[in-house]
Amino acid sequence: DGGITQSPKYLFRKEGQNVTLSCEQNLNHDAMYWYRQDPGQGLRLIYYSQIVNDFQKGDIAEGYSVSREKKESFPLTVTSAQKNPTAFYLCASSRQLLSTYYGYTFGSGTRLTVV
Amino acid sequence: RKEVEQDPGPFNVPEGATVAFNCTYSNSASQSFFWYRQDCRKEPKLLMSVYSSGNEDGRFTAQLNRASQYISLLIRDSKLSDSATYLCVVNTGNTPLVFGKGTRLSVIA
Repeated sequence: DGGITQSPKYLFRKEGQNVTLSCEQNLNHDAMYWYRQDPGQGLRLIYYSQIVNDFQKGDIAEGYSVSREKKESFPLTVTSAQKNPTAFYLCASSRQLLSTYYGYTFGSGTRLTVV
Repeated sequence: RKEVEQDPGPFNVPEGATVAFNCTYSNSASQSFFWYRQDCRKEPKLLMSVYSSGNEDGRFTAQLNRASQYISLLIRDSKLSDSATYLCVVNTGNTPLVFGKGTRLSVIA
């Protein structure tokens, strides 16, 4: 079955450490996204990519970096510059950016905690 | 004004009740609209798209009012399994979807 796989499910980061969250999809979708969700809050957009080797900053890109070397993969690195990284990170994909009728498909998320 | 606004709830309703959620959006150029459901500590899942003429899927009915810039979701005959957070989602054009903070629903036996 097609879908989006995020790993790991839980991740613990020490202060000053960079960590990378994996996101892989086999839906043949062109567009991929990273959102962050804090308790009681909505989803906030970190980065998105419409095609391979191209990506754009979202509303809260500071302290994060991404790459899109393959259509299937869109990893997110949380750098030491992100001062409050503890959150639930969600990766999503869609056939194209507009995705008028189908919305986005989400992975099951990575819960990141700073220790 | 926030792009997408929802009443956070919680809405506590008995089984079998009808409950309605509203959502307002600020960008009149918005083109597509969705309702997502999110269970506790899980990812959001698409519940239904919202079409201009309104649409129904079983016990769920979605309506769009472009003039007033609001979207509604009606759930009839509520089940315990309907307990979740319902996210209103808007696409304003050539940008990623914008998610509301969600409305929490608890259906009580």
